[in-house]
Amino acid sequence: DVKVTQSSRYLVKRTGEKVFLECVQDMDHENMFWYRQDPGLGLRLIYFSYDVKMKEKGDIPEGYSVSREKKERFSLILESASTNQTSMYLCASSRLAGTYEQYFGPGTRLTVT
Amino acid sequence: EDKVVQSPLSLVVHEGDTVTLNCSYEVTNFRSLLWYKQEKKAPTFLFMLTSSGIEKKSGRLSSILDKKELFSILNITATQTGDSAVYLCAVGGVSWGKLQFGAGTQVVVTP
Repeated sequence: DVKVTQSSRYLVKRTGEKVFLECVQDMDHENMFWYRQDPGLGLRLIYFSYDVKMKEKGDIPEGYSVSREKKERFSLILESASTNQTSMYLCASSRLAGTYEQYFGPGTRLTVT
Repeated sequence: EDKVVQSPLSLVVHEGDTVTLNCSYEVTNFRSLLWYKQEKKAPTFLFMLTSSGIEKKSGRLSSILDKKELFSILNITATQTGDSAVYLCAVGGVSWGKLQFGAGTQVVVTP
């Protein structure tokens, strides 16, 4: 079974703090994705990566950056957390080609106070 | 701009009822439409549809795609309380691997 794990289920941070969210997958997938999920808005893509050290902006990259130093690990960084970044963050992975099926981690609920 | 619209946004049904969820899309170079189920955790994959008119079925769940009219439906028959979840529709288009998600439909099944 594909397993995607995220470093924390719940996180509370203060405004202005630097926040790291980690995601690890064990299926040797090339693609990795970071989404945020807010009520009524569905999943919105923040960044994705199709290879080590490669990244592309999604629909809402402002205020975020990412890092992919190893194939299995994709990190989301909030350089200076703000209250409007309070959300559920979901990581996903998929094969590079042949399917659109993405496998999701359990999510991190981040609260910025 | 790519768009995926799900309806209704939420519904409440009794156990045993049949539910029909709708997903319409406008996506450049459509390739696939996927349905996911999300309980209070990670979304789990249900179906992927690429061809028009071919029904995919898994137990009490089924789905069909209409590429001419640009929509898909997800049916759940003989609903159970375990079907309570948010059902997400997502479409893959021009950028390989990327999905555009709809807002989801919240389904509540009451005993």
